[in-house]
Amino acid sequence: GAGVSQSPSNKVTEKGKDVELRCDPISGHTALYWYRQSLGQGLEFLIYFQGNSAPDKSGLPSDRFSAERTGGSVSTLTIQRTQQEDSAVYLCASSRSTGASYEQYFGPGTRLTVT
Amino acid sequence: EDQVTQSPEALRLQEGESSSLNCSYTVSGLRGLFWYRQDPGKGPEFLFTLYSAGEEKEKERLKATLTKKESFLHITAPKPEDSATYLCAVQAPGGYQKVTFGIGTKLQVIP
Repeated sequence: GAGVSQSPSNKVTEKGKDVELRCDPISGHTALYWYRQSLGQGLEFLIYFQGNSAPDKSGLPSDRFSAERTGGSVSTLTIQRTQQEDSAVYLCASSRSTGASYEQYFGPGTRLTVT
Repeated sequence: EDQVTQSPEALRLQEGESSSLNCSYTVSGLRGLFWYRQDPGKGPEFLFTLYSAGEEKEKERLKATLTKKESFLHITAPKPEDSATYLCAVQAPGGYQKVTFGIGTKLQVIP
């Protein structure tokens, strides 16, 4: 079956512009996660959704970052007024539910470059 | 704060040369420890979940083990296609679903 898809695969934007990153999870997966992977650093947890609800947003790096999920499916991560330090690969994952017993399936990521 | 430290950062092996990757962790309670494989330009691919000390899991040439402080990923007689970055991650108990990842070990297996 289809895996997790993300779009765009690559995004180059100018400093100060807003960007939207999209994640399509595996059908039927109720949990959805966003991570950021910077060069030489581990995956950084940003936010998770159970259904359309994001119980904890404290992993988001700043108030320029926001995320939403609609219909229990597609999720969008928005970065406003992008900065060069936002350059990274943004990864989305989904799982059948939350909890350690449900493995996370990752998408290929969106490589964001802020110039 | 949960912490995951992986060693070595990079490992180069000859095909057939067995070795182990280490993942040391600090977490207030452990809900699960995960191993993933990541190929260049791709998202991580799930390998194993371990839940308690003494647990072991195997898949082909890979075997993961867990103690109260660390986990090992043993690679037996590796092949070039095992070349990848191997990531370790932990999840603590509680309603917050945060998963903390290590930086990974980049494995290169030379024919």
